[in-house]
Amino acid sequence: EVQLVESGGGLVQPGGSLRLSCAATGFTFSNFGMNWVRQAPGKGLEWVSYISDNSNIIYYADSVKGRFTISRDNAKNSLYLQMNSLRAEDTALYYCARAWELDYWGQGTLVTVSS
Amino acid sequence: EIVLTQSPGTLSLSPGERATLSCRASQSVRSSYLAWYQQKPGQAPRLLIYGASSRATGIPDRFSGSGSGTDFTLTLSRLEPEDFAVYYCQQYGTSPRTFGQGTKLEIK
Repeated sequence: EVQLVESGGGLVQPGGSLRLSCAATGFTFSNFGMNWVRQAPGKGLEWVSYISDNSNIIYYADSVKGRFTISRDNAKNSLYLQMNSLRAEDTALYYCARAWELDYWGQGTLVTVSS
Repeated sequence: EIVLTQSPGTLSLSPGERATLSCRASQSVRSSYLAWYQQKPGQAPRLLIYGASSRATGIPDRFSGSGSGTDFTLTLSRLEPEDFAVYYCQQYGTSPRTFGQGTKLEIK
C-alpha cells in the first residue's frame, strides 16, 4: 500500500525557516517524481514544487522560487522541502504527492507563519 | 502560466442526478495533461481522472472525464451521497502546474 507521511510543520516567525519531510513506503520511490502542494486554511490547492525521480528536473511556483528548495534522498525514500524567508502567506497545510498526476497524497503537515 | 477557471463555483443537486463540472484553460493544455481531484472536508485530495479521460485506480465508472485543448469536463452520471465534495482540476503539462479554484458540489 502506498503511503506518504509528512512531518516537520509547526509555528515559525516571519523570516524564519522550516524543513518539511515526506516519508514514502509501499512503492519504489526512486522510480517516481514527487511534488509538494499546499492549501491555505479554507482555500484551494496550490502546487509548490516538483522534483523528478533522479533529481535532474526541478520546478517551482513563482510564489516560492528563490525561497524554497525541494530535494530527495532515494536511499532513505524521503522527500524534503527547505523553506526559508517564510511569510504569513506561506501558512498552509503542506502535502507531498506522487508523480506527474499526483496519484497519491499524504495527509499533510501544517505550517503556520506568525509572530 | 495557464489559468484554469472552473464553473460553476457551487453546484446544488440531489442524489441520483447527473453533475457536469467545467474546467476552462487560458491556453491549450499540452497532451491533455489534465487531472481532476475530489476533496472532502478534513481529507487530502484524491485523484479521480488523469490524462483528461482516464479513471484512476479504484474510481467508480460513474465518474468520467472528457475534453481537450482548453475545455474539459468532469461528469458524475448518478450522484451518490458520498460524491458531495469539492472538485479541482489541475494541468500538469506545463510548469508551473496550476489548479482551478474548485467547484463545490452540495446536496440540494
